[in-house]
Amino acid sequence: DAKTTQPPSMDCAEGRAANLPCNHSTISGNEYVYWYRQIHSQGPQYIIHGLKNNETNEMASLIITEDRKSSTLILPHATLRDTAVYYCIAYQTGANNLFFGTGTRLTVIP
Amino acid sequence: DVKVTQSSRYLVKRTGEKVFLECVQDMDHENMFWYRQDPGLGLRLIYFSYDVKMKEKGDIPEGYSVSREKKERFSLILESASTNQTSMYLCASSLLTGTLNEKLFFGSGTQLSVL
Repeated sequence: DAKTTQPPSMDCAEGRAANLPCNHSTISGNEYVYWYRQIHSQGPQYIIHGLKNNETNEMASLIITEDRKSSTLILPHATLRDTAVYYCIAYQTGANNLFFGTGTRLTVIP
Repeated sequence: DVKVTQSSRYLVKRTGEKVFLECVQDMDHENMFWYRQDPGLGLRLIYFSYDVKMKEKGDIPEGYSVSREKKERFSLILESASTNQTSMYLCASSLLTGTLNEKLFFGSGTQLSVL
């Protein structure tokens, strides 16, 4: 699986869009980009995933660059409950597991 | 919604004890996983299982074993607990769809302290 790189921490004002970057420059053509988040004292929660097209669901949007070397998770209107650690994962179908790194700790500030 | 239930939220055990961590999922998922989470190290895979009675080693299986006698239940066993096994243990499950999806559903975790 490709290694991903994320900033260790970010702050975002409540109500603003939170844009969380992820670099995955060694990603291969059949690796998906997955995003999970982990709120304090809970297990990780799936957010969204994509291959090369941008994706949107009720939680977030995922923007993947054309060369697929990086992506951005967008929370359009961050709330205090979005404070969490966000994990970006490059996953190859058929691989044994998702590799969770240390993620980005997002703090939403009132 | 899928529910993954871990039997204990907090557990305190003594060095040398045999420890059982239980996990049950209610959505008929084929895949089940055990991770441990430590500060600065992220989540690391211990064992996983694709089916009943099947098990595969993850990245850090040493000191652990697992049991999957029923599809819905996946147990992690510490044969002789040691202090370096103090950690947050997370169980997860996923559906073997064959459609390129690997969405994991996690339990709330068990914080194990070995004294």
